[in-house]
This record gives sequence, structure tokens and C-alpha cells, in this order.
Amino acid sequence: GAGVSQSPRYKVAKRGQDVALRCDPISGHVSLFWYQQALGQGPEFLTYFQNEAQLDKSGLPSDRFFAERPEGSVSTLKIQRTQQEDSAVYLCASSSGTETQYFGPGTRLLVL
Amino acid sequence: DQQVKQNSPSLSVQEGRISILNCDYTNSMFDYFLWYKKYPAEGPTFLISISSIKDKNEDGRFTVFLNKSAKHLSLHIVPSQPGDSAVYFCAASANGAGSYQLTFGKGTKLSVIP
Repeated sequence: GAGVSQSPRYKVAKRGQDVALRCDPISGHVSLFWYQQALGQGPEFLTYFQNEAQLDKSGLPSDRFFAERPEGSVSTLKIQRTQQEDSAVYLCASSSGTETQYFGPGTRLLVL
Repeated sequence: DQQVKQNSPSLSVQEGRISILNCDYTNSMFDYFLWYKKYPAEGPTFLISISSIKDKNEDGRFTVFLNKSAKHLSLHIVPSQPGDSAVYFCAASANGAGSYQLTFGKGTKLSVIP
């Protein structure tokens, strides 16, 4: 079956631009997570949704980061006024419950 | 402070031999542990998991061992194959505490030599 998909796969932004990253979870998966992975590091948690409710946003690094999942399926991670330190791979994962998370291919963001 | 540690950045193993990847954790609230495999330019792929109520879980060539008293887990791959060459991440969550986010180690790069 179809896995988690993310778009775009690559994004280059000029410093100060706003970007929007999309995640399509596995159909029927209730839980959706966003992670940020810097080069040479493991993924780090950003935020978690259960259906359309954002239950945990403790990992969002600043108020420039915003995530939504209005209909409980597709999710968008928005970064306003991008900075160079935002350059990373952004990973989306979904889960049917609370255990195994399945990851998408990620969006590689480069801020110049 | 890192709550999940993979102290070996890299490991080389001959094809056909056993690969052992290690992971240590500090948070006693962690009760669910997973191993993911990652190829370049791809997302992490789920390999195997273990709940804290068990000390071993096996799936084909992959076995995960959990030692709760030592806060240590390991992934055994037997026999190792060249296609196993990838970065392996250990991850943990505290589901019982209502915290479902995964905390990852920094990964171990496994090279299986033909």
C-alpha cells in the first residue's frame, strides 16, 4: 500500500522567505508527527497530531514554526521568515495508534 | 543531554557474520524501543521494535535485546548482507506516560563488506 509521502522533496529558500511543507500520511492513520533532522544527527521531535488536534508542539523551535492538520489527514508545516539554521531535513511520520511510526522520505530544506 | 545514545558512529562487518549495534538510554520512563534503518536521501525505515515488558524480539535475521536494568538495547543482524549497509537509528518513547514522540540516537553507520 501507499506509504507516507512528502512534498516538495527539495526546497531552496532565500533567508526571510516563508515555506510550506506538506505531508500525506498513510490512509487511516490517526497520529501524525513532524521531526527535524540536522546533518549527522538523529531526527528531533517537533510536533504531534491526533486526528486534527495538535496535542504536543513542545519541539517547535520558535514561533516562526507552525503546523496544522485541519481535516485530520494531510498536514502542513510552515516556517515563516526562514533562517539559515532552519536548513535541515523535515520528516513526517504517521501511526495507526501510539506505537510504530512510519516515516516519509523527508523534505530537504536549504536556506541561503 | 542525550537521552538515547549510540556510542559507535560506525561499524564494519564481513558478509555472513553477525552485526551487533548497541544503544543506551537514560530516561527510565521509556517503555517502547524501535530500530530504524536509513539509506541516503530516504526516510527512516522501521525494522523492529520491543516493548519494555519483553527482553527479546525476533524477526527473521533481526533480533532486538532489551536489558532494562542496564538501560541498554542491542540489535543483532545474522547473517549480515551487503544490502544491510545503512545508518541504523535507535529510538525510544514513553507511551505509558502519554509521550508518544520518539527520541533518537545519532545513528551507527553499518558497512557490510562482501
